[in-house]
Amino acid sequence: GEDVEQSLFLSVREGDSSVINCTYTDSSSTYLYWYKQEPGAGLQLLTYIFSNMDMKQDQRLTVLLNKKDKHLSLRIADTQTGDSAIYFCAESMRFSGTYKYIFGTGTRLKVLA
Amino acid sequence: DAGVIQSPRHEVTEMGQEVTLRCKPISGHNSLFWYRQTMMRGLELLIYFNNNVPIDDSGMPEDRFSAKMPNASFSTLKIQPSEPRDSAVYFCASSSGWGSEAFFGQGTRLTVV
Repeated sequence: GEDVEQSLFLSVREGDSSVINCTYTDSSSTYLYWYKQEPGAGLQLLTYIFSNMDMKQDQRLTVLLNKKDKHLSLRIADTQTGDSAIYFCAESMRFSGTYKYIFGTGTRLKVLA
Repeated sequence: DAGVIQSPRHEVTEMGQEVTLRCKPISGHNSLFWYRQTMMRGLELLIYFNNNVPIDDSGMPEDRFSAKMPNASFSTLKIQPSEPRDSAVYFCASSSGWGSEAFFGQGTRLTVV
């Protein structure tokens, strides 16, 4: 199948680290993405990782990739109330000579002050 | 560029009526995607186009749903007749090629009563 799975909810205290997990299905996926959706808005790209990488760090964000287990995680250090949003994991999948993006259900992060 | 533009932002319609959602992708992008977002199913890919040609419509839920892309700068998603279970947020996204990010519009919130 083409399911990308994420847990639905995560609640953390301000200043703590948040870890959002994702499992994907296509072992040949070359690009994996994390998107953020704020209330009433579309999705915006947060970061991405190539499949030949194990880790990528971008300021407060750390992405870890375990290709063997098809597991992707996003760690947000020093989580702030402004980080409250829905976070989507996505894989870019080859199809019929083109490509498509398959998204997970999204994880709703709530940051408590 | 103004980004991906969707209209209308909100649509309330009665069951049985025809609904047409519109999307203008980013100029120069060759792929366009229609997604539906619900709490339970997350972000589902309905259909996508590459160079104005429909590539994969396996996500379209029923024959009541149809999509067109008459040219590189415009696409429509039509639901006829609409039903209350079609109520969701519909997103359009476009991208410029394999490995690039998908840029999302602001979405159309559809309510069928």
